[in-house]
Amino acid sequence: GAGVSQSPSNKVTEKGKDVELRCDPISGHTALYWYRQSLGQGLEFLIYFQGNSAPDKSGLPSDRFSAERTGGSVSTLTIQRTQQEDSAVYLCASSFPLAGVDEQYFGPGTRLTVT
Amino acid sequence: AQRVTQPEKLLSVFKGAPVELKCNYSYSGSPELFWYVQYSRQRLQLLLRHISRESIKGFTADLNKGETSFHLKKPFAQEEDSAMYYCALRGGAQKLVFGQGTRLTINP
Repeated sequence: GAGVSQSPSNKVTEKGKDVELRCDPISGHTALYWYRQSLGQGLEFLIYFQGNSAPDKSGLPSDRFSAERTGGSVSTLTIQRTQQEDSAVYLCASSFPLAGVDEQYFGPGTRLTVT
Repeated sequence: AQRVTQPEKLLSVFKGAPVELKCNYSYSGSPELFWYVQYSRQRLQLLLRHISRESIKGFTADLNKGETSFHLKKPFAQEEDSAMYYCALRGGAQKLVFGQGTRLTINP
């Protein structure tokens, strides 16, 4: 079946602009995660959704970052007033926690470059 | 606090040699430990998890609670093992805490 998909695959934006990154999880997966992969920082957790609720937002680096999930499916990560330090690969993952195994399946990522 | 440390950013070994990628963690409770792998131009994928106690692609990893380690081992490296490897911990919450990764290169 289809895996996690993300769009766009690449995004170049000017400093100060807002960007939206989209994640389509695997159908039926109730949990959705956003991570950021940047040089020198490894993989950092940003936010976790269970259904449409976000019980863990502890990784969002500033109030310029926000995310929502609608219909228990698609999620959008929004970065307002982008800064150069926001440049990174943003990864989305989904899982079905009640399945026992609860493996997180990752998307291909969105590479964000802020110029 | 939860922390995962992978002390080697780069590791290079020859084909057929043994490989050990180190991972140490910090967590006060009982963690779940994972190894994820990212091959060139592919997405991040699960390699193995400690609760499964399985061998995947010849790799094994044993959780050592006394040393708080979860090192990944393979007795005979193959060229297709070249990739980025991440150790990850899940402790009491859904999120994964990743180490900074080790880039493994297998030389022919």
